[in-house]
Amino acid sequence: RKEVEQDPGPFNVPEGATVAFNCTYSNSASQSFFWYRQDCRKEPKLLMSVYSSGNEDGRFTAQLNRASQYISLLIRDSKLSDSATYLCVVSRTGSARQLTFGSGTQLTVLP
Amino acid sequence: EAGVAQSPRYKIIEKRQSVAFWCNPISGHATLYWYQQILGQGPKLLIQFQNNGVVDDSQLPKDRFSAERLKGVDSTLKIQPAKLEDSAVYLCASSAGGITDTQYFGPGTRLTVL
Repeated sequence: RKEVEQDPGPFNVPEGATVAFNCTYSNSASQSFFWYRQDCRKEPKLLMSVYSSGNEDGRFTAQLNRASQYISLLIRDSKLSDSATYLCVVSRTGSARQLTFGSGTQLTVLP
Repeated sequence: EAGVAQSPRYKIIEKRQSVAFWCNPISGHATLYWYQQILGQGPKLLIQFQNNGVVDDSQLPKDRFSAERLKGVDSTLKIQPAKLEDSAVYLCASSAGGITDTQYFGPGTRLTVL
């Protein structure tokens, strides 16, 4: 079983739609959680950290359920520029070290 | 602020040949990582350096892969000899340390082994 599992998609949604991505992780000792964004043929970039209380950054909302070992990302009012692969990432440490990446979920926002 | 630099950006070699990749981290970043990203997968950590010392190389295939960061700044990753399954993007990342310790990735080197 992979340590971090994501639905690979692809998700094709119209502009303005709300889309949700889910991720599960197997190592209960994981301490830190992140969502990264990777554009086609580009490097991954940190989108946001994920906290137990849930956190929001503009149109993006991330949630963590430690009991279920489940992480989610919600994107509201999708833009064409949101088209990318979204990587779920966990760390065994309390920081951004020792990252384990999921395989990513591909999103295409259609005009 | 300049980002993480990597070269070459692309490399095509035949199996059993050798290849080397170079990475220059963001100035002042003590921690440097090399990742392998195979098409359709997420990046997989190969090796982590703290200054010029290795912190974690548990996923580095040491029979063919080697890496060094002699002066604690730039780093090289070598594959010798290459296999077909080594075709991937090799990403270098660096971080400054501290509470958040965000990793910043370079553009990667896309390796094709024929």
